[in-house]
Amino acid sequence: NAGVMQNPRHLVRRRGQEARLRCSPMKGHSHVYWYRQLPEEGLKFMVYLQKENIIDESGMPKERFSAEFPKEGPSILRIQQVVRGDSAAYFCASSPRITGEDSPLHFGNGTRLTVT
Amino acid sequence: AQKVTQAQTEISVVEKEDVTLDCVYETRDTTYYLFWYKQPPSGELVFLIRRNSFDEQNEISGRYSWNFQKSTSSFNFTITASQVVDSAVYFCALKGPRVLSSGTYKYIFGTGTRLKVLA
Repeated sequence: NAGVMQNPRHLVRRRGQEARLRCSPMKGHSHVYWYRQLPEEGLKFMVYLQKENIIDESGMPKERFSAEFPKEGPSILRIQQVVRGDSAAYFCASSPRITGEDSPLHFGNGTRLTVT
Repeated sequence: AQKVTQAQTEISVVEKEDVTLDCVYETRDTTYYLFWYKQPPSGELVFLIRRNSFDEQNEISGRYSWNFQKSTSSFNFTITASQVVDSAVYFCALKGPRVLSSGTYKYIFGTGTRLKVLA
């Protein structure tokens, strides 16, 4: 499967635990975006990363949330001490290093986080 | 500021009816791109179409058609002879030009329209 791969598909955490969401971009893509979709809402931008660099994290909460995209391995979105309000679908999208201006984002299937 | 408005939260139609999903956008940029994505009940996001701000030609792809009108800042999506498999949430998105300071693009999504096609 050459698409954007996210895992796990579903994740259940108790309040206070940590959640780790993984995203492997499409082959040849070195840019990753993370979006959050709250129930009955649209997609909200969180963070944009290139390999080993955070380019734009303006949409990510300052506390408890962090993201990385190491040289080797998938991009990780980490949520520490989760609260019920973190329950949402988290989508990863990727794009190539050199992208045409009209290139769409290619999304993964998302990780649905439920905090109990 | 950039904004995408999908005023229709939910639409229900009976199979074989035509349905139009509205999308209105706001931007000060002269160069921008518009997209539609489909999110079926299984949850993934499927890219449907892109349109740049310089191309106001309407597009038809099978039962799908898109009407881009710069004068009204709208990019509406019509499904002809709807089918149950069209039931999904549809998102309209706006992509601005590259941000020079960061090299990134900003994608702004609407809140989506849930389409229910009843058999």
